Amino acid sequence: EAEVAQSPRYKITEKSQAVAFWCDPISGHATLYWYRQILGQGPELLVQFQDESVVDDSQLPKDRFSAERLKGVDSTLKIQPAELGDSAMYLCASSSGWGSTEAFFGQGTRLTVV
Amino acid sequence: GEDVEQSLFLSVREGDSSVINCTYTDSSSTYLYWYKQEPGAGLQLLTYIFSNMDMKQDQRLTVLLNKKDKHLSLRIADTQTGDSAIYFCAEKGNNDMRFGAGTRLTVKP
Repeated sequence: EAEVAQSPRYKITEKSQAVAFWCDPISGHATLYWYRQILGQGPELLVQFQDESVVDDSQLPKDRFSAERLKGVDSTLKIQPAELGDSAMYLCASSSGWGSTEAFFGQGTRLTVV
Repeated sequence: GEDVEQSLFLSVREGDSSVINCTYTDSSSTYLYWYKQEPGAGLQLLTYIFSNMDMKQDQRLTVLLNKKDKHLSLRIADTQTGDSAIYFCAEKGNNDMRFGAGTRLTVKP
């Protein structure tokens, strides 16, 4: 069964260091989302791509976060420098396209900043 | 901003029905979703309902939507210990999806 792949599953980093997460969506899915889920809360959208274009990054802290999806397939989310408050689960999701009803989530990357 | 709210905890006995409630504020929501999250895992889509429907049933799951009151519920019949997880309600408006904080369902044997 097709699934959204994310790596690493777990990441521990020191504050002020750089960290990156990778996501490979379900093959053929044009829309890709990055969500941040702080412990005890629901996921919050950070950035949404349609193919290689960003369609919504209004909640992305652009002073330290960046995201790219250069070829419209896999995507990387980067944090530089990491802060203690960035500790969270980072979830990637994909859907088949604009207006699609279903989004499928990966297993997530659990980030701990120490 | 638009909000999605859920009660945080629900505890039921194995074999009973569970009902998880959710309210939302965005009147332009087109789809409403229920996701399940087990510890340390991503979100698993359980079911969704289009905003012009008022009920959807899928095996042990029944979704009820009261669009006038912006109230969504998920009923799990014959709840099992494997149903213990966090359940997230989500609504989709124009194209982004907004989640509630999740309801932690505990099923006692």
